[in-house]
Amino acid sequence: GAVVSQHPSWVICKSGTSVKIECRSLDFQATTMFWYRQFPKQSLMLMATSNEGSKATYEQGVEKDKFLINHASLTLSTLTVTSAHPEDSSFYICSGRRGLSNGYTFGSGTRLTVV
Amino acid sequence: QKEVEQNSGPLSVPEGAIASLNCTYSDRGSQSFFWYRQYSGKSPELIMFIYSNGDKEDGRFTAQLNKASQYVSLLIRDSQPSDSATYLCAFSGGGGYQKVTFGTGTKLQVIP
Repeated sequence: GAVVSQHPSWVICKSGTSVKIECRSLDFQATTMFWYRQFPKQSLMLMATSNEGSKATYEQGVEKDKFLINHASLTLSTLTVTSAHPEDSSFYICSGRRGLSNGYTFGSGTRLTVV
Repeated sequence: QKEVEQNSGPLSVPEGAIASLNCTYSDRGSQSFFWYRQYSGKSPELIMFIYSNGDKEDGRFTAQLNKASQYVSLLIRDSQPSDSATYLCAFSGGGGYQKVTFGTGTKLQVIP
């Protein structure tokens, strides 16, 4: 089945620094990758839609200059949290789809803690 | 009105029983429906994907979709303690790589 590899699985960083999260589709080409954020005991909230070779589409309320998304190839999408603050601490998850006849596959998630 | 409504639970069922999880959605343009299972601290994993009215069965799981009534359900037969998790209902719109909207999830507890 479709596999999405996400790294790192967890990261602790100091306030004001930047963190990069990578998602790779291992056995399929992900034209589109979705980035979600999930706070404790809450559902997944879509942050942005990453399209290969073009600018990402951000959801309302998500700062595009703070959450930089790059989708340089059909198998790699990255999310960079710039100038991270404690309120950015969350579980970040990417998701891609291998064709219309399949569901969306999630990466394993990245737990970000900003101290 | 929320786009996706799920009872947050917890829903408690004894081991071996049938667990029934329900979800309603507001967007009549929705075409694809998903059930995901999420263990605490883990990423969601896809259980079922359904886009036609009726039932779809996969092992102990059956997804039921009723577009006229705008609800989708998930039945888990012979529930096991390992099924204890939060179940997320989700949908997406018409073809292509449309974004997926998630419900807040129903927490299921299977009591041994």
